[in-house]
Amino acid sequence: QQQVRQSPQSLTVWEGGTTVLTCSYEDSTFNYFPWYQQFPGEGPALLISILSVSDKKEDGRFTTFFNKREKKLSLHIIDSQPGDSATYFCAASQGGRALIFGTGTTVSVSP
Amino acid sequence: EAAVTQSPRNKVTVTGGNVTLSCRQTNSHNYMYWYRQDTGHGLRLIHYSYGAGNLQIGDVPDGYKATRTTQEDFFLLLELASPSQTSLYFCASSEGGANQDTQYFGPGTRLLVL
Repeated sequence: QQQVRQSPQSLTVWEGGTTVLTCSYEDSTFNYFPWYQQFPGEGPALLISILSVSDKKEDGRFTTFFNKREKKLSLHIIDSQPGDSATYFCAASQGGRALIFGTGTTVSVSP
Repeated sequence: EAAVTQSPRNKVTVTGGNVTLSCRQTNSHNYMYWYRQDTGHGLRLIHYSYGAGNLQIGDVPDGYKATRTTQEDFFLLLELASPSQTSLYFCASSEGGANQDTQYFGPGTRLLVL
């Protein structure tokens, strides 16, 4: 049973466009939601994170939104660049519990 | 920045074979983790540890053993490898066990079980 669902599985955007990734989760006790970015041949690395007390967090071209009522979160990448081509994982956790990762979205940005 | 290294980077074995994957972190982090990454499943936690000699069971532990010999070194053991264990394995570390602690990942080990 996948506790954190992520969509789409893959997508292609044009350079300069906006990329939108979404995740949903089951456990209402989750309170921490990081996004990890993974380039081919490398391990994932933390990109941005948000706590359940917030509904938006921005870091440069990357913004994550959180909707507690709908149990959903999203990652928006504005002005997408070819260097943003990677696999993105959302994750969730609560308290001392380990992170639960989504299935990942592979993003390709075409010049 | 945290440094996590894994060896080997690639490994081929046969069904029933014995495999040990190694991980070392050099930032004095307390927590270390082993994940497997498979298409359609994302990253799934196999085992983790909060210190030398400690081992905690993750979400997909069947067929795997792990041992944390020092604060730096964490090993994943497959004593009777099966084709279902063909996967990309990642080690990670974090300073503490709080859910907000950033996990730092190694470069991965690709394992093929024939």
